[in-house]
Amino acid sequence: GQNIDQPTEMTATEGAIVQINCTYQTSGFNGLFWYQQHAGEAPTFLSYNVLDGLEEKGRFSSFLSRSKGYSYLLLKELQMKDSASYLCAVRDIVIRDNYGQNFVFGPGTRLSVLP
Amino acid sequence: NAGVMQNPRHLVRRRGQEARLRCSPVKGHSHVYWYRQLPEEGLKFMVYLQKENIIDESGMPKERFSAEFPKEGPSILRIQQVVRGDSAAYFCASSNQAGTNPYSGANVLTFGAGSRLTVL
Repeated sequence: GQNIDQPTEMTATEGAIVQINCTYQTSGFNGLFWYQQHAGEAPTFLSYNVLDGLEEKGRFSSFLSRSKGYSYLLLKELQMKDSASYLCAVRDIVIRDNYGQNFVFGPGTRLSVLP
Repeated sequence: NAGVMQNPRHLVRRRGQEARLRCSPVKGHSHVYWYRQLPEEGLKFMVYLQKENIIDESGMPKERFSAEFPKEGPSILRIQQVVRGDSAAYFCASSNQAGTNPYSGANVLTFGAGSRLTVL
């Protein structure tokens, strides 16, 4: 089975740095993804990790430790528009009648950026 | 190059009616996923399909819910005899061919704008 956990809510100040943690347990790990979702909108892709270590993309970085089942998303120089939910998702290999790769999402972390 | 198209964007049904939600994946994508989201909650996996095949339906209720992804046309999520608890946003996502190589990061999910179902 799969289990993905994230903090429910976080608050930070404009210009600050915030780290959103994600822990997971899966049977066939094949990559970890972070998505951003503004209220009432579709999730949009932010970052992807399959190897241990840090991936940096502008103001956003994501870290993965496979041995610990742990990832974090780091947001620097926070802006008001960063107020959104951040979803951690694990890609899991599925082998039933057919082979495929499923994506299982955590509960999401609602980030509020204050002026 | 259109993204994932979902329709209708909003659907209102009375208890006992049927709801049909459609999803056209990104052109060239052969994998479709359906998720359900309640307000202030995360995405709950429902079903994963490839063309003409259901790969994983472990998240979909056994009764009243069904999904298909025919050889031609969009994927359909069908909810029969809707109840108030079915009210939610239903998101469809697609990805390109899945492979055994975990470093093929191109297999990113692209989401549609969602279909919001309200059951009166």
